[in-house]
Order: sequence, then C-alpha cells, then structure tokens
Amino acid sequence: AQKVTQAQTEISVVEKEDVTLDCVYETRDTTYYLFWYKQPPSGELVFLIRRNSFDEQNEISGRYSWNFQKSTSSFNFTITASQVVDSAVYFCALSETGGGADGLTFGKGTHLIIQP
Amino acid sequence: DGGITQSPKYLFRKEGQNVTLSCEQNLNHDAMYWYRQDPGQGLRLIYYSQIVNDFQKGDIAEGYSVSREKKESFPLTVTSAQKNPTAFYLCASLDESYNEQFFGPGTRLTVL
Repeated sequence: AQKVTQAQTEISVVEKEDVTLDCVYETRDTTYYLFWYKQPPSGELVFLIRRNSFDEQNEISGRYSWNFQKSTSSFNFTITASQVVDSAVYFCALSETGGGADGLTFGKGTHLIIQP
Repeated sequence: DGGITQSPKYLFRKEGQNVTLSCEQNLNHDAMYWYRQDPGQGLRLIYYSQIVNDFQKGDIAEGYSVSREKKESFPLTVTSAQKNPTAFYLCASLDESYNEQFFGPGTRLTVL
C-alpha cells in the first residue's frame, strides 16, 4: 500500500526566512509519481510540481525548490525568502500511475504560516 | 475560461437527507475524481471515473454514489448511509497530456 507522511503539522516563520516542508513516501512500485499542491485559504488546490521516480534531479522554480531523494524516500520542498503570500496548507501526494490516473494518495498537509 | 465548477460553495442539509454535489468541467478531460477533506487531514479519494459510463470506488466510497453520463459532469451523491458527511469536497479532472490533476474550488457540506 502506498502512503505519504508529512510530519510537520504546522510551521510558523517570519517573512524572508527560508523554510523546508518534509515529505516521506512509501510505495512498492519502482515507477511512481510525486506531487506538491498548495491550498490557500480559498480552498482550491494549486498544482506546484510533479516528479517521476526516474528523475532524481532537483528542481528550482523561482523561490521554490524541491529535493527528491529515493534513498530516503523523501521529496522535500523549500521556499527561499518566504513571503506572506506563501501562507497556505501544502500537500505532498503520490501516485503509482501517471498523473494519478487512479487517484492520488495525499499526506495530511503542512500548514505554513508566514508572519510579516 | 476553461476550468472546473463546483456548486454550491456551501451546502447545508439535515441529517438523513441525501444531497448531490455538482462538478462540471469544460477542459475536455476524460478522467474525473472526487476527494473528501476533513480538518487536519489530507484528501481522501471517494470515487473516480476514467471514462463516460464507468467509475471506480476509491478508498472511502461507502455512503456515496456517483454517475458519469456526460464527459463534462461527475455529480456526487452523499447518501444518508454516510455516517459523517460534514466535510469539504473537492472535484478534480486529469490532464493526461501533462499528467496533472486540476481541482475545482470545492463544496463545504454541513449536515445539521
């Protein structure tokens, strides 16, 4: 069975600090896909990134970066120079089919609070 | 604008009543999904449909039913058999070209 663990329930930092959100996953498949979504207070989930199990390259997109390590089954998300607009709940998710064709397995989410 | 519409945003029902949540998409996606979110919990899959007239149970299908008569629509019925129906319900569809699920704005259901 697949499982996603986000051990950090809530993180609070002051604006401009760097913050890392942890994600640990479990799966028996050698082919799988990992995702990060952002859920602002409005409730709608916003896609951030998808990574397949064959691509261990880290990715950077502006202030966001992702560190994928198969050896530790982790897919961590770092926000550099955080801003108040980054405040949201962030979910890590796993699928054993491309894009989550059979549905995504989500972690419980990390509530990120950026204080001005 | 292309996207997913869920209506209404807030829904109140009395205990014992069935209620149907609407989900419509104009993205021409084949696959659609229903997830449930409880406070402090991640999203859990209720049902999904990969093609019209076909759907599969997810992890927590008990007490729910769906239909997929049209590609654009995937309504979810919360029946009186669902023991704890109060939750936030999110609908999604899959862009197979980019392997990305797009989510609607959600419906917050409160059963009184």
